[in-house]
Amino acid sequence: EPEVTQTPSHQVTQMGQEVILRCVPISNHLYFYWYRQILGQKVEFLVSFYNNEISEKSEIFDDQFSVERPDGSNFTLKIRSTKLEDSAMYFCASNPGAGRETQYFGPGTRLLVL
Amino acid sequence: GENVEQHPSTLSVQEGDSAVIKCTYSDSASNYFPWYKQELGKGPQLIIDIRSNVGEKKDQRIAVTLNKTAKHFSLHITETQPEDSAVYFCAARWPPYNQGGKLIFGQGTELSVKP
Repeated sequence: EPEVTQTPSHQVTQMGQEVILRCVPISNHLYFYWYRQILGQKVEFLVSFYNNEISEKSEIFDDQFSVERPDGSNFTLKIRSTKLEDSAMYFCASNPGAGRETQYFGPGTRLLVL
Repeated sequence: GENVEQHPSTLSVQEGDSAVIKCTYSDSASNYFPWYKQELGKGPQLIIDIRSNVGEKKDQRIAVTLNKTAKHFSLHITETQPEDSAVYFCAARWPPYNQGGKLIFGQGTELSVKP
C-alpha cells in the first residue's frame, strides 16, 4: 500500500539555523499538508497546498516558513531561522482529492531546536 | 472556525472490555469527522470516519456515532486487545464541503489495554 514518507526522522539544529523537512506524498494525490505536534499538545494545522500554490495557512505559518513542491514528487517545509518553540513533530499529509476525503499522514520528523 | 474538544485524555481498560472516546465540535456546519490512531513513533493512521448524513458507522470492532444536534461524536472499541493501545485523535474537517480542507484535531486520548 502506498505511504507518505518523510525525511529525516529526527533533526537537531541550533537556534537561528535553517532546516528543510522533506516529504514524498502518495503518488497522484492532489492536496498536501503540513501539521505539527508540540510534545503533549494537539496536532496543529500549518499549511495546505493545492495546484502548486498555498491554499490555506495558519497563524503559525509566518514569514519564517515556506513550502515548495519542486519536482512533482517532493513536498518540502523550510523554516528559515529556527526558534526554540519550533521544536515539535512535523507531519506531512496528502489527500487524493477527486471526491475522496481521507488525509494520509507520514511518520513525522522530530525537530529539536537547541 | 471550528474547534474540537476530546475526552478523556487517558483511558485504561481491561482486555476484552469496551472503550469509548468522546469529542465535541463547535460549528454545526462541519460534515466530516475522521478518527486517527497513533502508535509510538508513527504518524496518525485513519481508522474510521463518518459524514454528517450518517448517524453511525461500524467496521468490525470499531464504531463511530454522530449526534448532529448535540454536536458530538464518539469512538467505540469493543473487545479491546493489547494492540489497541495507542493515542486516538478525533478531528473535524474545515471548511466543510471542501475536500481539501484542513483537519482540526482534538487533544488526543491515550488508551491503555491491560492484558
